[in-house]
Amino acid sequence: DSGVTQTPKHLITATGQRVTLRCSPRSGDLSVYWYQQSLDQGLQFLIQYYNGEERAKGNILERFSAQQFPDLHSELNLSSLELGDSALYFCASSVATGYEQYFGPGTRLTVT
Amino acid sequence: GESVGLHLPTLSVQEGDNSIINCAYSNSASDYFIWYKQESGKGPQFIIDIRSNMDKRQGQRVTVLLNKTVKHLSLQIAATQPGDSAVYFCAENRGTGNQFYFGTGTSLTVIP
Repeated sequence: DSGVTQTPKHLITATGQRVTLRCSPRSGDLSVYWYQQSLDQGLQFLIQYYNGEERAKGNILERFSAQQFPDLHSELNLSSLELGDSALYFCASSVATGYEQYFGPGTRLTVT
Repeated sequence: GESVGLHLPTLSVQEGDNSIINCAYSNSASDYFIWYKQESGKGPQFIIDIRSNMDKRQGQRVTVLLNKTVKHLSLQIAATQPGDSAVYFCAENRGTGNQFYFGTGTSLTVIP
């Protein structure tokens, strides 16, 4: 158990819908990262927050957004969902940027 | 994207043998590397890390070797066990404070 929690574990929704994925980092970690893992793209970095502020952006679509709240939990919002958005979404946390990241169990999103 | 996941290299070893998993990186500015293990249906799990001022680091049954000259990283697992069966990823940090980039991953299967 990494100490990072993610909810929900599974999510099935229809195209065009919007969903919110939630992540609670390890106690003491200020940095939160979101990754997408699909069969044909591997593990893709989406976005990073550090102590409530956006720190880095990766391959995140404009339909996706995220935020980190004062209690340091983070949410990833996915809107106008497409079939190709079906993937595993992982959250990771670290004490600071550039340190080892600890991953949550992931949320499996299926868009039908 | 930075991670290419089209073809996953595979490695099969007999239980008790040593395993060597390789990773090539492209950026000479990368100064911190991590090996992760991902079991089916779970998030990546931190195994061992190494900074660029070292060329070898040992953990429990695992050793990471870093060859900066040829930009190559390897993970050696001693006395491989069935529980070691998983996908192994290397991740590189391209300079202090930057995000991590994940390799394609290697699927290790341990034959009892």
